[in-house]
Amino acid sequence: QQQVKQSPQSLIVQKGGISIINCAYENTAFDYFPWYQQFPGKGPALLIAIRPDVSEKKEGRFTISFNKSAKQFSLHIMDSQPGDSATYFCALTGGFKTIFGAGTRLFVKA
Amino acid sequence: EPEVTQTPSHQVTQMGQEVILRCVPISNHLYFYWYRQILGQKVEFLVSFYNNEISEKSEIFDDQFSVERPDGSNFTLKIRSTKLEDSAMYFCASSEQGFSNQPQHFGDGTRLSIL
Repeated sequence: QQQVKQSPQSLIVQKGGISIINCAYENTAFDYFPWYQQFPGKGPALLIAIRPDVSEKKEGRFTISFNKSAKQFSLHIMDSQPGDSATYFCALTGGFKTIFGAGTRLFVKA
Repeated sequence: EPEVTQTPSHQVTQMGQEVILRCVPISNHLYFYWYRQILGQKVEFLVSFYNNEISEKSEIFDDQFSVERPDGSNFTLKIRSTKLEDSAMYFCASSEQGFSNQPQHFGDGTRLSIL
C-alpha cells in the first residue's frame, strides 16, 4: 500500500523560477512531515519540516504548505538556483518510522 | 559539524554470503536507523533502534537482517544470506532523540552489490 504519493517525478525550472513539488498521504497516524534533499552520491539531508497543526512554514527560499483536511503538503522553492538541482523527497514520520515519497528530480536551468 | 559515517562505501559480495555494514552515528545521538534505496527508487525504512533494542521495523526487515550496537560507537546491519535483490544503497541515520520532530542525520551510504 502506497502511503504517500509524490509528484511530479521530474521537474525542469528556469533559474529564478518557482519549483513546486506535491505530496499526498493516506494515513493520519504520522505527526511530522519533512522534506529531504539528496545530491548524487550523498545521503538525504533534512531541508525543512512541518507539524500538522501548522499550515505553512518558511525558511529562506523554501516554504512548506500543509493542508491537513486534504492530506496534502507541498514544497515551494522560490528563486530556484542551479545549485538546487537535486532529488527531493517528502516524508511522513511517526513514532520511530519514516516513510519516504518516490522522489522528484529537480533540474534548474541556468 | 558532526556527521554519520558509513563503511565501506562500496561492498561487493557473492550471493548467499553474509555481509556486515557499519555505521558510526553522531556521538550524542541515541536513536539509530537503517534505510535502503534501490537504484533510482525511493528511500525505504528498514529498522529503528534504541537502547539496544529494535523500536520498529518494516516488512522488508525479515529474519535475514539483524542490527547490533557492538560497542559504544558502532551500529551495524547484518544480512545473513544475501540475495540479488539486496543490491541497493544502505543508509544509516541517527537522531538525538526519538521524537518524530527530531531531525535524522544520514550518512552517505554503503553501495551493496550482490553478484
